[in-house]
Amino acid sequence: DTGVSQDPRHKITKRGQNVTFRCDPISEHNRLYWYRQTLGQGPEFLTYFQNEAQLEKSRLLSDRFSAERPKGSFSTLEIQRTEQGDSAMYLCASSLSGQRKTQYFGPGTRLLVL
Amino acid sequence: DQQVKQNSPSLSVQEGRISILNCDYTNSMFDYFLWYKKYPAEGPTFLISISSIKDKNEDGRFTVFLNKSAKHLSLHIVPSQPGDSAVYFCAAPMNRDDKIIFGKGTRLHILP
Repeated sequence: DTGVSQDPRHKITKRGQNVTFRCDPISEHNRLYWYRQTLGQGPEFLTYFQNEAQLEKSRLLSDRFSAERPKGSFSTLEIQRTEQGDSAMYLCASSLSGQRKTQYFGPGTRLLVL
Repeated sequence: DQQVKQNSPSLSVQEGRISILNCDYTNSMFDYFLWYKKYPAEGPTFLISISSIKDKNEDGRFTVFLNKSAKHLSLHIVPSQPGDSAVYFCAAPMNRDDKIIFGKGTRLHILP
């Protein structure tokens, strides 16, 4: 399967703990996006990378969130000191650079903070 | 302020009939629109797109119509099939970086 993959698919953690999610994009895609989806809402943009450079961060991404894409391939999203409001589906997407290139989404990581 | 609005949270349609999903937008700078389909426990899947220079784009059973003056678009599915039961998101890319602005989605139920 050469689609976007995410790991883990599910994560349950206690409030205050740190969690890290991984995204492996489609291999030739140089853009990688993170979105968050909560119940009853559409996905909301968090941040994106072009190659290894993080080019934009949403104001939704508080100081407790950090994302990396060290070699321009896979990316990690870390949430420190998790809060119950962080419970959501975290979606990763990748695309080629250039306007109007289709973004392909992974299956998401569902986070539940107790 | 929601820039992409889907005002119908859910829609039920008989199998074989036409499904019409509606979407409104407020940002006049949007010049390209997307529809994504999402099954439970999966990520959104790209379905169809339309550029603002067109008023219609068709792909098999799926047709998207764009009314720029009304800032409205719709997705038509004809004929509707059981596998079409899913959540449909209307969306538009923002800026050159293409971060996507999604609506809240409409859950489509195809009834046997």
